Amino acid sequence: DSGVTQTPKHLITATGQRVTLRCSPRSGDLSVYWYQQSLDQGLQFLIQYYNGEERAKGNILERFSAQQFPDLHSELNLSSLELGDSALYFCASSVGQGRTEAFFGQGTRLTVV
Amino acid sequence: DAKTTQPTSMDCAEGRAANLPCNHSTISGNEYVYWYRQIHSQGPQYIIHGLKNNETNEMASLIITEDRKSSTLILPHATLRDTAVYYCIASGGGADGLTFGKGTHLIIQP
Repeated sequence: DSGVTQTPKHLITATGQRVTLRCSPRSGDLSVYWYQQSLDQGLQFLIQYYNGEERAKGNILERFSAQQFPDLHSELNLSSLELGDSALYFCASSVGQGRTEAFFGQGTRLTVV
Repeated sequence: DAKTTQPTSMDCAEGRAANLPCNHSTISGNEYVYWYRQIHSQGPQYIIHGLKNNETNEMASLIITEDRKSSTLILPHATLRDTAVYYCIASGGGADGLTFGKGTHLIIQP
């Protein structure tokens, strides 16, 4: 158990819909990272927050957004969903912004039908 | 992050040491070498990281060459549960996440 909690574990939704994925970081960790893993793309970095502020963006679509709340949990919002958004979405947390190990949650498997 | 090159797959007999190589010839001075593994669609698991010196923890050992252009992850006594995809990442620790490549699919044979 990494200490990072992601909910829900599975999500099935229709195209065009909007979903919210939730992540609770390890106790004491200030950084939260979101990754997407699809079959053909591997693990892709989406976005990072540190202590409530956005710090880096990766390959995140404009239809996707995220935020980190004062209690440090984070949410990833995916809207206008397409079939190609079906993937595993992982959240990771770390103490600092870099040069420290990151701990991953077990992921949310999103299926868009 | 510097580019890393790993073999696509490797086999190792159970109980033997598994040695996973990684090439990172363009690594810069401030970039660490990180190793993670992912067991069949579970979340990636941190294993170890290092800058220059060899490192050891309860999971594995990391051997980094003196010129830092390559490294080897050693699982001293591989078990069937070590079957996974192993990712080697060279990262300066910037706030832009880790760049995961294809990794090495390590298969431990009984």
